[in-house]
Amino acid sequence: GENVEQHPSTLSVQEGDSAVIKCTYSDSASNYFPWYKQELGKRPQLIIDIRSNVGEKKDQRIAVTLNKTAKHFSLHITETQPEDSAVYFCAAMDLVDTGFQKLVFGTGTRLLVSP
Amino acid sequence: DVKVTQSSRYLVKRTGEKVFLECVQDMDHENMFWYRQDPGLGLRLIYFSYDVKMKEKGDIPEGYSVSREKKERFSLILESASTNQTSMYLCASSLGAGSGYEQYFGPGTRLTVT
Repeated sequence: GENVEQHPSTLSVQEGDSAVIKCTYSDSASNYFPWYKQELGKRPQLIIDIRSNVGEKKDQRIAVTLNKTAKHFSLHITETQPEDSAVYFCAAMDLVDTGFQKLVFGTGTRLLVSP
Repeated sequence: DVKVTQSSRYLVKRTGEKVFLECVQDMDHENMFWYRQDPGLGLRLIYFSYDVKMKEKGDIPEGYSVSREKKERFSLILESASTNQTSMYLCASSLGAGSGYEQYFGPGTRLTVT
């Protein structure tokens, strides 16, 4: 089955700096890679995703890049703001024996943006 | 606006008790999921269901069972609660099977087993 590793576990930046969170996956058949953001005390919410036929995707200040050969993908946040402070989870789609698909999540990165 | 609700935000149970956690979604989603969230371990899938009365084991099903009698409701059952099941439990739902479907999460139930 799929295994997803995420680094770093914590990341502290100054407001306005960029932040990068990296994930690696093990199954070359995985074809969908979402990122979820979980603010303190709240539920995880999807912020961006990428499919394996695309190398990069942007949405305002956030972007995700995918390197299929190396089996890693990254979340980039530019011009960070205090409201970006949260835990970020990467995930990869895994195919189970019965043919259904499920997400395998990374262990999370706690991002702290200081004013 | 998708709404996923869970029956309790906080729950305290004793070792050996049978525990029911309920999740309801109002968007006619096919798939429903139960995760547990522990510090440093991320979100780990316990069970998921792709249709009424259908279920699939996730990555950590031991000690848990599930029930899906109606499309909108997915229950997680701890047959005999143990202290190592103290955790945050998150329910989620998604529109369809396959890749690319956003999962919508509930607010979570923080379960403490004493």
